[in-house]
Amino acid sequence: RKEVEQDPGPFNVPEGATVAFNCTYSNSASQSFFWYRQDCRKEPKLLMSVYSSGNEDGRFTAQLNRASQYISLLIRDSKLSDSATYLCVVNLYNNNDMRFGAGTRLTVKP
Amino acid sequence: EAQVTQNPRYLITVTGKKLTVTCSQNMNHEYMSWYRQDPGLGLRQIYYSMNVEVTDKGDVPEGYKVSRKEKRNFPLILESPSPNQTSLYFCASMGLQLYEQYFGPGTRLTVT
Repeated sequence: RKEVEQDPGPFNVPEGATVAFNCTYSNSASQSFFWYRQDCRKEPKLLMSVYSSGNEDGRFTAQLNRASQYISLLIRDSKLSDSATYLCVVNLYNNNDMRFGAGTRLTVKP
Repeated sequence: EAQVTQNPRYLITVTGKKLTVTCSQNMNHEYMSWYRQDPGLGLRQIYYSMNVEVTDKGDVPEGYKVSRKEKRNFPLILESPSPNQTSLYFCASMGLQLYEQYFGPGTRLTVT
């Protein structure tokens, strides 16, 4: 079993749609969680950290469920510019041992 | 401008010919790391460094070497490249107070 698993997609949605991605992690001792965004042929960039109480940044909402060991990312009112691959990242033991999921690809269409 | 730079951006080489990919950051970050990204596998960590003269193996260190003689630089060395090292490589740095990693633009390596 992979340490961090994501549905690879692709998710093809129309503009304005709401889309949700899930990510599961295997190590219950994992300490911190993130979503990164990666555009085609570009480097990953931090989208948002995921806090225990859940957090929101504009159209993006991230949630953490420690009991079930998954994190989620919700994108509301999708824009064409949201088209990218979204990477789930889990930090084990707070020692900078970052583990990346393989990514979920999103395409937002007009 | 805060950034991580990598060179070269693209490299085609032959099996066995030693090569070095340089990585430099200007943010005074303690932590630096190398990843390779392959289709369907995501980013896998090769080596990381918590500070000068401190390096540790990641998930896939075989066939790679690194050094950290200065805080800003973290070169990746392939002593004898093989075709299975054909990949997209990213260098990243991070301050130890926050967990945001800043990635370089990537180096696409092809070994024939």
